[in-house]
Amino acid sequence: GEDVEQSLFLSVREGDSSVINCTYTDSSSTYLYWYKQEPGAGLQLLTYIFSNMDMKQDQRLTVLLNKKDKHLSLRIADTQTGDSAIYFCAESSIYNQGGKLIFGQGTELSVKP
Amino acid sequence: EAQVTQNPRYLITVTGKKLTVTCSQNMNHEYMSWYRQDPGLGLRQIYYSMNVEVTDKGDVPEGYKVSRKEKRNFPLILESPSPNQTSLYFCASDPGPGLAGGGEQYFGPGTRLTVT
Repeated sequence: GEDVEQSLFLSVREGDSSVINCTYTDSSSTYLYWYKQEPGAGLQLLTYIFSNMDMKQDQRLTVLLNKKDKHLSLRIADTQTGDSAIYFCAESSIYNQGGKLIFGQGTELSVKP
Repeated sequence: EAQVTQNPRYLITVTGKKLTVTCSQNMNHEYMSWYRQDPGLGLRQIYYSMNVEVTDKGDVPEGYKVSRKEKRNFPLILESPSPNQTSLYFCASDPGPGLAGGGEQYFGPGTRLTVT
């Protein structure tokens, strides 16, 4: 089946940029998403990118998509302690029944002051 | 306010005692799903529904049942819970195909279930 992979942990210093990476296997991916989950909380959609785009910027967030390599990244500029959370990459495809999202394992971002 | 609600938010139960987690959405979405989240595994789809009375298995359906009698509600039923069903559960709704906006799924706040 289709798969989405992420590294499990990332640690950065406050004020630095964070880059969270994700790889996926589905060639028919339509949308790729980044979700944030703070401790004890639900899932918050941060941003998404359509598969025919290379880049999307939204304030401190930059999403880069390399469709050839099936690689997605999320860059957070000027990372703050409030950005500490688990970040999930997810993909959807028109072939995924019922709007199913396939999630990566999640990357736990730790921001040190 | 557009939202997906789940109840209860926290539940501790014992092996074999039937339970139901409710899910409701107020956006008239056609698609609804249940996911479970486990450390190091991300979220995995349990069941989904593409409309009233239309449900199908996701990736990890064993030990679960669902029903979709009304468009807004999609309860998750554990007939005989076991400890390996201890997890964080999320309900989600989706407007369905052919709509603009990125195909965004709306997630509920989650239900933390512990089976002892």
